[in-house]
Amino acid sequence: DIVMTQSPDSLAVSLGERASINCKSSQSVLYRSTNYNYLAWYQQKPGQPPKLLIYWASTRESGVPDRFSGSGSGTDFTLTISSLQAEDVAVYYCQQYYSTPRTFGQGTKLEIK
Amino acid sequence: EVQLVESGGGLVKPGGSLRLSCVPSGFTFGGYSMSWVRQAPGKGLEWVSSISSSASHIYYADSVRGRFTISRDNAKNSLYLHMNSLRAEDTAMYYCARDRECSDGSCYSDYWGQGTLVTVSS
Repeated sequence: DIVMTQSPDSLAVSLGERASINCKSSQSVLYRSTNYNYLAWYQQKPGQPPKLLIYWASTRESGVPDRFSGSGSGTDFTLTISSLQAEDVAVYYCQQYYSTPRTFGQGTKLEIK
Repeated sequence: EVQLVESGGGLVKPGGSLRLSCVPSGFTFGGYSMSWVRQAPGKGLEWVSSISSSASHIYYADSVRGRFTISRDNAKNSLYLHMNSLRAEDTAMYYCARDRECSDGSCYSDYWGQGTLVTVSS
């Protein structure tokens, strides 16, 4: 199974500042034949289900604010929130869909400093 | 608007059984793979099982294989998860999710239900 490791486990950032969450996979999730990275990011607010933010490592889901961006390739990925808003307080998860079983990172809790 | 509504959760004793249901709306159910993902209280997300649009391909996590059975009825617009031999470690919120893109049975999910809580305790 591919192990997904996120860092840090928790993060406190001031409103309007940049927040970055890292995700590392135990093996590459880049599919050579398509040149796509099979990596998604989700946001989960308290008491709510996960919400898809990013897929193919860097494609923003429709309706997601453009302050959210994804980057990286192979085994190392980053979710960046360019200017943190109060409504961005949540737990963020990365997930690989390169192979079964799909696996998630342990989550990163983002709070306001 | 896409919606997924789960039901069937509850309190069950170890060794017992439950059947979860998920009723979708707002999209053509028969055109999508579907999955169950669970989340133990205060913990992260764990994929449980997936089923392709025609039910021709089914996948399970090792932790539930042989105990859980996923199924769907496209005519009735319903997804199911039959859970047998339940254990305390199966206690979790169970989410139904619509899968969009898949590779070798592994997908990302673009819509999730609100979940149904399963508690396994004596």
